[in-house]
Amino acid sequence: KQEVTQIPAALSVPEGENLVLNCSFTDSAIYNLQWFRQDPGKGLTSLLLIQSSQREQTSGRLNASLDKSSGRSTLYIAASQPGDSATYLCAVPNTGGFKTIFGAGTRLFVKA
Amino acid sequence: DVKVTQSSRYLVKRTGEKVFLECVQDMDHENMFWYRQDPGLGLRLIYFSYDVKMKEKGDIPEGYSVSREKKERFSLILESASTNQTSMYLCASSSSTGSSYNEQFFGPGTRLTVL
Repeated sequence: KQEVTQIPAALSVPEGENLVLNCSFTDSAIYNLQWFRQDPGKGLTSLLLIQSSQREQTSGRLNASLDKSSGRSTLYIAASQPGDSATYLCAVPNTGGFKTIFGAGTRLFVKA
Repeated sequence: DVKVTQSSRYLVKRTGEKVFLECVQDMDHENMFWYRQDPGLGLRLIYFSYDVKMKEKGDIPEGYSVSREKKERFSLILESASTNQTSMYLCASSSSTGSSYNEQFFGPGTRLTVL
């Protein structure tokens, strides 16, 4: 059964710092991995989708990497800003099905 | 841009009422999902649909039903609302084909309070 873990659960950094959020999954036979952002009381916003054949994806100050063999993905945020404060979730499709398995998320707070 | 919309951002209902939550997507996605999100419990799948008139139970279907009469619309029904169904409800859609296979797009959520 696929399980997704995110570490740390919460993170507080000063503005301008580069940071890394971690996501691990137990079954490496994934088709892709998706990173989301969620602001309080809102829905999830898709940030990046990495296909299983890719090693990384970039969007602006965000860079997501994928290492299937070790069951890990990282989300790198460069030059963090207070507006980056949110909860970040990673998710993978459940093996052989339509379901998606979500991590519990990392709550990020960027101090001005 | 993919757009998933939900009929209400906030909803307050009384115990025993029948509640309808509507979700519409404009990207011709085959798959649609209903989740609920509660503090400390994360996202939990209630029901999903991979085609019109098709539905599958998720992890917590009890007390809920769904309807998908058209490809773009997926409705969640609380037959008799109870206070333990107070939650944030999130709808999502995804494609079964192409490079965006299973990339999920979410609506803004409906915060339901049952009194």
